[in-house]
Amino acid sequence: SQQGEEDPQALSIQEGENATMNCSYKTSINNLQWYRQNSGRGLVHLILIRSNEREKHSGRLRVTLDTSKKSSSLLITASRAADTASYFCATKNSGGSNYKLTFGKGTLLTVNP
Amino acid sequence: GAVVSQHPSWVICKSGTSVKIECRSLDFQATTMFWYRQFPKQSLMLMATSNEGSKATYEQGVEKDKFLINHASLTLSTLTVTSAHPEDSSFYICSASLSGLQETQYFGPGTRLLVL
Repeated sequence: SQQGEEDPQALSIQEGENATMNCSYKTSINNLQWYRQNSGRGLVHLILIRSNEREKHSGRLRVTLDTSKKSSSLLITASRAADTASYFCATKNSGGSNYKLTFGKGTLLTVNP
Repeated sequence: GAVVSQHPSWVICKSGTSVKIECRSLDFQATTMFWYRQFPKQSLMLMATSNEGSKATYEQGVEKDKFLINHASLTLSTLTVTSAHPEDSSFYICSASLSGLQETQYFGPGTRLLVL
């Protein structure tokens, strides 16, 4: 099964509203990252939060991490139509020699103008 | 920022033929490159990790003889899908990092493969 599980699977909101996506994972992690993917395109790195961090901000993005619950959330404030995309969380597990990321199933966000 | 390119961006081929996909890091040297496969409306699944100058490490369930990976230089990795079949049709994405320990991976734009 997927290491990361995002919910909701799909989210549709109006421009200007906030969008919150959640991610849960199963094993101990070194860090958790959020990526964005426009339809049929590659991934764009949004933000990385380390296991010893609880919250991080980047522009309109706010990420939280709760290692006790093995969960993370991504909040996009004041959403825009251009934010329409799929959002994936990815975890780097503790240990291991290579930097292997395990991706969740993603949340498809649609921001309606 | 670091840029990773892939070529071709899309390819259509007949069943039984082999297809080579290139992944290049344009402005940095990538010791480690990763190859992912993504089926429609699904997540990225790691296929293999390749380190420059050594054999690739394949994930469980990925046939190394079918998906040949070569990482001969610090800026180029290739994935060859041998004897492609319709079930190999997918979106193949590579990523690159400066080293296996680096936190950030830079992703290519992906290659869409359609096998008829």
